[in-house]
Amino acid sequence: QVQLQESGPGLVKPSQTLSLTCSVSGGSVSSGFHYWSWIRQPAGKALEWIGRIYVGGSTDYNPSLKSRVTISVDTSKNQFSLSLNSVTATDTAVYYCARDTLVHRDVSNYHYYYAMDVWGQGTMVTVSS
Amino acid sequence: DIQVTQSPSSLSASAGDRVTVTCRASQSIGSFLNWYQHKPGKAPKLLIYAASSLQSGVPSRFSGSGSGTDFTLTITSLQPDDSATYFCQQSYSSLTFGQGTKVEIK
Repeated sequence: QVQLQESGPGLVKPSQTLSLTCSVSGGSVSSGFHYWSWIRQPAGKALEWIGRIYVGGSTDYNPSLKSRVTISVDTSKNQFSLSLNSVTATDTAVYYCARDTLVHRDVSNYHYYYAMDVWGQGTMVTVSS
Repeated sequence: DIQVTQSPSSLSASAGDRVTVTCRASQSIGSFLNWYQHKPGKAPKLLIYAASSLQSGVPSRFSGSGSGTDFTLTITSLQPDDSATYFCQQSYSSLTFGQGTKVEIK
């Protein structure tokens, strides 16, 4: 089955760029009907969606983070990546990658339902000098 | 932004009990609501999608209902393995998550 694994530095200095990679195994990042997402959870707070990418390169970002975020995909390595610049302590969180799958279509209403059916276990990133 | 308010924040119930968790959206989201289970140190697990459809492999004691702004996750006959945090997520406009409900077994 498909598995996801986050990797990257656990400590980033303020004002620098946070970079994480999600490696996909047991499946292909190039497969259709999937977006590839990044989500984070600061300690004691709710999950926050960061953004997602489709294999063709199209992206959607959380408006509150859009100015600082870039998500990219590398089909040759079967992975996708997150870059978050100008980080501050408020970016300290557990970061998750996930596969966002088209799970249901209601063609009568042109409604397409997506859900995150595969997640990584998460990686803790601390922003501190 | 669509806000999703989840309640309660935590609950404690006995094995065999019926448990209900609710999510309320700040505006109508149709059936664009998913439910997940999250255990510490593990990857979150999709339980319910499109408000009421059971994800493959998920036990039938889990069910979801609702549409518009009010949604419910129900666990009938709570099992010890169900001790976890449950959260909802809307995908109608952008994506936002509920605050989570921690379920403990007495």
